[in-house]
Amino acid sequence: GQQLNQSPQSMFIQEGEDVSMNCTSSSIFNTWLWYKQDPGEGPVLLIALYKAGELTSNGRLTAQFGITRKDSFLNISASIPSDVGIYFCAGQTLLSSNTGKLIFGQGTTLQVKP
Amino acid sequence: KAGVTQTPRYLIKTRGQQVTLSCSPISGHRSVSWYQQTPGQGLQFLFEYFSETQRNKGNFPGRFSGRQFSNSRSEMNVSTLELGDSALYLCASSLLDGYNSPLHFGNGTRLTVT
Repeated sequence: GQQLNQSPQSMFIQEGEDVSMNCTSSSIFNTWLWYKQDPGEGPVLLIALYKAGELTSNGRLTAQFGITRKDSFLNISASIPSDVGIYFCAGQTLLSSNTGKLIFGQGTTLQVKP
Repeated sequence: KAGVTQTPRYLIKTRGQQVTLSCSPISGHRSVSWYQQTPGQGLQFLFEYFSETQRNKGNFPGRFSGRQFSNSRSEMNVSTLELGDSALYLCASSLLDGYNSPLHFGNGTRLTVT
């Protein structure tokens, strides 16, 4: 089936550093979403992207929908300890648009050293 | 506005038993989707219900089933439990009365099969 390749798998950074992670696919996606999951909780929506080339910010987070529609990246600026968690990208193909069916990446585990 | 509520939070069952998980979506949300999360396979789509009808189904055996009630609340059932069914089961809801309706997840039900 379709898969999303998310990288890196894990990151260990110093507080205050910027972070970048990305997702790529062999298929075209109509929607890209970025979620964060803390231990024992469900994924929380960070940013939703619906248009190729779209660049959207949410506080210290910035995400972009790649112009080829096959990739997306998420940047976190000036990381803080509460940024620790697992970040997931998720996408929807044209066929799955406006449905509840998402394809998820494998996640990026972020650890921040104070 | 209350978020997506899943009950119970934890369940321990024995192989061969069956289990029912419950999900109450965000008020006004008409679509409910279920996902299975495991360390090995990540987040995988199970099925989606919209207006009491199953609209999408993932690649899971028929032992996994669900339903949606007229108030949009949903249940999923797993029959003849296997050890490999141990996972975090996540429910997500969305408006889906147009495009650009991202999924919002609950905190999941942690199922352990012994």
